[in-house]
Amino acid sequence: DAGVTQSPTHLIKTRGQQVTLRCSPKSGHDTVSWYQQALGQGPQFIFQYYEEEERQRGNFPDRFSGHQFPNYSSELNVNALLLGDSALYLCASSLSAGRKTQYFGPGTRLLVL
Amino acid sequence: SQQGEEDPQALSIQEGENATMNCSYKTSINNLQWYRQNSGRGLVHLILIRSNEREKHSGRLRVTLDTSKKSSSLLITASRAADTASYFCATDVRQAAGNKLTFGGGTRVLVKP
Repeated sequence: DAGVTQSPTHLIKTRGQQVTLRCSPKSGHDTVSWYQQALGQGPQFIFQYYEEEERQRGNFPDRFSGHQFPNYSSELNVNALLLGDSALYLCASSLSAGRKTQYFGPGTRLLVL
Repeated sequence: SQQGEEDPQALSIQEGENATMNCSYKTSINNLQWYRQNSGRGLVHLILIRSNEREKHSGRLRVTLDTSKKSSSLLITASRAADTASYFCATDVRQAAGNKLTFGGGTRVLVKP
């Protein structure tokens, strides 16, 4: 049973560029959440997708957008990259019902130069 | 803002000793979860404790929850070098839709052999 997978593992971009990160949820999960983790800090919630719609959003600007596909996989897009967007981006999947434990992927480390 | 705050921020112990870390939060919760993270990788789910539970065990882990004090503790007994990691508490707050997790800053645990 495959867990949560993310791609790419590492990425280097320059300021002003755009980036797309991808996530495949754990088998059987229908909900995907994205988190940003700056170095030395705890993860910060970006948004959550369920039934291909954004269900909840954290305190992130509109430069951060996402998408969920019919197979429940998800993308995180960040436009007009800033140096401060450098972080580990974590995807978590869960079931919409039940205990709602979130299972995390290995993350994508983004460096903005 | 962070809902959960861990204490201490860092902990260094000898192998075989117990490690205790605490988490405080601010608002009513559905549940509280503890995660482990090794060297900036993905988070591994350890335990979920619901708001109507007071204590849970999983192997060498013991979690307590005191909703009157809005606090939780994680105890790792008979620690091993492999327990070296950052530990995060995350709260799942009552909301109409979705279940975002709000993380604290983490406790960095070093277990010396």
